[in-house]
Amino acid sequence: GAVVSQHPSWVICKSGTSVKIECRSLDFQATTMFWYRQFPKQSLMLMATSNEGSKATYEQGVEKDKFLINHASLTLSTLTVTSAHPEDSSFYICSARDFAGGTYEQFFGPGTRLTVL
Amino acid sequence: KQEVTQIPAALSVPEGENLVLNCSFTDSAIYNLQWFRQDPGKGLTSLLLIQSSQREQTSGRLNASLDKSSGRSTLYIAASQPGDSATYLCAVRRVGNQFYFGTGTSLTVIP
Repeated sequence: GAVVSQHPSWVICKSGTSVKIECRSLDFQATTMFWYRQFPKQSLMLMATSNEGSKATYEQGVEKDKFLINHASLTLSTLTVTSAHPEDSSFYICSARDFAGGTYEQFFGPGTRLTVL
Repeated sequence: KQEVTQIPAALSVPEGENLVLNCSFTDSAIYNLQWFRQDPGKGLTSLLLIQSSQREQTSGRLNASLDKSSGRSTLYIAASQPGDSATYLCAVRRVGNQFYFGTGTSLTVIP
């Protein structure tokens, strides 16, 4: 299957700093990528849909000025957590959509563990 | 809004047992349903994908069924092994491509 990578796999930062997380589709082009957040012992919640060359679509309750998404190429989307605070500590997972075999399928990255001190 | 529920939330079985995980969803207008496995602190591994027109999919010891009209899916694991211990998530996808994830079932297979 298609491979999606994320970098970094984990990051620790001080409160008030900004952190950038990269999501790459390694062997396919993805016009659409998705960003999810997962708190401990909870399921994944969709944060935003990232479309190449256009603005991201954010889910209700997600602050677009705090979670900046850029999808500048068909293989790369970035999520920047601005002015991070301890409550932003979470597991962030991206997925990329591939159209293969006549159907769309989403492939998920390995996730990025963010800890804000 | 689509709501996805998984029962049980946690399950512990002895090695070798067959088991069934349940997933229910409130809106039957889905594009497909997918079962994932998540190991602690890791991302998602796709196990089985069932299109809305299909009734079931099989892969090795895993069999997933889909009853769209009743809003239910089951994941059957045969002859469970300790390596099967993980959290299992089901997710339904609507035509608009948005995924709704279930709450997960944490499975422990005891050697």
